Amino acid sequence: KNEVEQSPQNLTAQEGEFITINCSYSVGISALHWLQQHPGGGIVSLFMLSSGKKKHGRLIATINIQEKHSSLHITASHPRDSAVYICAVRRNQFYFGTGTSLTVIP
Amino acid sequence: KAGVTQTPRYLIKTRGQQVTLSCSPISGHRSVSWYQQTPGQGLQFLFEYFSETQRNKGNFPGRFSGRQFSNSRSEMNVSTLELGDSALYLCASSLGTSGSNEQYFGPGTRLTVT
Repeated sequence: KNEVEQSPQNLTAQEGEFITINCSYSVGISALHWLQQHPGGGIVSLFMLSSGKKKHGRLIATINIQEKHSSLHITASHPRDSAVYICAVRRNQFYFGTGTSLTVIP
Repeated sequence: KAGVTQTPRYLIKTRGQQVTLSCSPISGHRSVSWYQQTPGQGLQFLFEYFSETQRNKGNFPGRFSGRQFSNSRSEMNVSTLELGDSALYLCASSLGTSGSNEQYFGPGTRLTVT
């Protein structure tokens, strides 16, 4: 059983579209992280959430602790947003979702 | 500030050999975590060190071990390599061990076992 479930696994969007990636988890957590991984492997931390909502540029992340659910939104998507987005939750260690592979077509 | 560095970046080893990977955290960061990433299993937590002490360990066999030095640099070692150990090994540093500390990832070491 995977502690963290992400959907969708793959997503193709046209440039400019609004994108939503969902993450559900089954354990009590101290924080939830959204990570971005580009081809080649480098991982960048996008957001760290323990409650509410955070915004950074065109990216918005929300979390509902009661429902154990988080969403990552990308507004006005751009080809440079093409990457794998990974949800990770921290309990005593990190548990990772399987990732969502996003391709934004010009 | 310099980012997290990992050496070597690429490594090819033969089954049965052992390997040591190195991670230098961001200056001032005292926590270093190690992760294994494979196409089949995705990202998995290996272990976490803070102030030279292992704080948490993932579900990996004892062939996987690590340590942290007084300058916060960390090494991980895999003994008796198996084909399934081929993976991208990532380390990440943070100020502390709390989940509310942002993780900064290194570029990874790509290990191929033949």
